[in-house]
Amino acid sequence: DTAVSQTPKYLVTQMGNDKSIKCEQNLGHDTMYWYKQDSKKFLKIMFSYNNKELIINETVPNRFSPKSPDKAHLNLHINSLELGDSAVYFCASSQVGRGGYTFGSGTRLTVV
Amino acid sequence: SQQGEEDPQALSIQEGENATMNCSYKTSINNLQWYRQNSGRGLVHLILIRSNEREKHSGRLRVTLDTSKKSSSLLITASRAADTASYFCATDETGGNEKLTFGTGTRLTIIP
Repeated sequence: DTAVSQTPKYLVTQMGNDKSIKCEQNLGHDTMYWYKQDSKKFLKIMFSYNNKELIINETVPNRFSPKSPDKAHLNLHINSLELGDSAVYFCASSQVGRGGYTFGSGTRLTVV
Repeated sequence: SQQGEEDPQALSIQEGENATMNCSYKTSINNLQWYRQNSGRGLVHLILIRSNEREKHSGRLRVTLDTSKKSSSLLITASRAADTASYFCATDETGGNEKLTFGTGTRLTIIP
């Protein structure tokens, strides 16, 4: 029944490793997003995809690479993890013109 | 870039009282949305107000929008302990590809 699901919920990894976070939505929405929430709770958009096409790519290090195999999935791969990448990463989806995002429950990434 | 500034940063009130949070933004918008985030959880969409609307109600929530002042307020009436959460405003900027830019958030604590 979960509308937007992310896995894993928690991720603890060492500096320099590569990791992926997966996101799936079953709402039939055409747009998906990745947001990063830092320790001060500030939310910043990273990427958005509309029907598998990259629409928004904010100033994000190219160590971060999103991939959307279909419009229901948007994964985030991070290479060469750094301490500063520690944050909560949220996936969200929406339908263009309808407003209102549906968020996943987040992935807390801790780089040690 | 950060669009919204919320005021106050933190608010504590007694159960049953009304809570008011304010949001200011910088650019022209299509709509403004409010979200709630419980501790350790994802964001939940509460209400959307379009740029040509001035006030909107949903249950115990009342939102106002003043585009001339680039500001919005969220009023929660008859607060309950379950309303304890962080509240964020988010703006859908004109020409922004439907990305939402979030404010800094207000941490609301309802004292039973």
